[in-house]
Amino acid sequence: GNSVTQMEGPVTLSEEAFLTINCTYTATGYPSLFWYVQYPGEGLQLLLKATKADDKGSNKGFEATYRKETTSFHLEKGSVQVSDSAVYFCALSVPLGANNLFFGTGTRLTVIP
Amino acid sequence: GAGVSQSPRYKVAKRGQDVALRCDPISGHVSLFWYQQALGQGPEFLTYFQNEAQLDKSGLPSDRFFAERPEGSVSTLKIQRTQQEDSAVYLCASSLLSFYGYTFGSGTRLTVV
Repeated sequence: GNSVTQMEGPVTLSEEAFLTINCTYTATGYPSLFWYVQYPGEGLQLLLKATKADDKGSNKGFEATYRKETTSFHLEKGSVQVSDSAVYFCALSVPLGANNLFFGTGTRLTVIP
Repeated sequence: GAGVSQSPRYKVAKRGQDVALRCDPISGHVSLFWYQQALGQGPEFLTYFQNEAQLDKSGLPSDRFFAERPEGSVSTLKIQRTQQEDSAVYLCASSLLSFYGYTFGSGTRLTVV
């Protein structure tokens, strides 16, 4: 089946610290991979995506590389800011079948000054 | 429109009441999805439309849940005889193609009392 497992939170970091949120997946077919972010009181926003192996998605200083050999899509940022405090969701979609998104349970990040 | 619009933003319903949640997708987006997000969890797929056709409703939790998109644009999610376990945020998303990712609305927070 299709599923996403991501690092459980919450994660608390000091400003300018390095961030890694782990994400691994299982999928039928060749998935596209996504990271979504949900800021307090807001809807889900697409942060970055990758559609094939070894692609690197990047946005706002965040990066994630599609690793087919380890079925992973870990999210990283070199220096977090207070404004990065949010819940981060790893997700996949598979081109065949229902064509919907499968989400992880989310990781809450809090960055303290 | 510029984004996916959902209404109402908040809904409080008495147990047993029927509710209707509206989603106005981005103009031209063929695919429309409904998700249910319980507190502290990732979104869970409910149903998927391609234009007016409901291609997958496997995620609807019971026959009290019904969704429609009669003209291939606006969609309504209806919940009959609401129960406390229906309390959640209901998210709508639209997409041209899954390859590009999905644009989510801000959601409707339903509280059943």
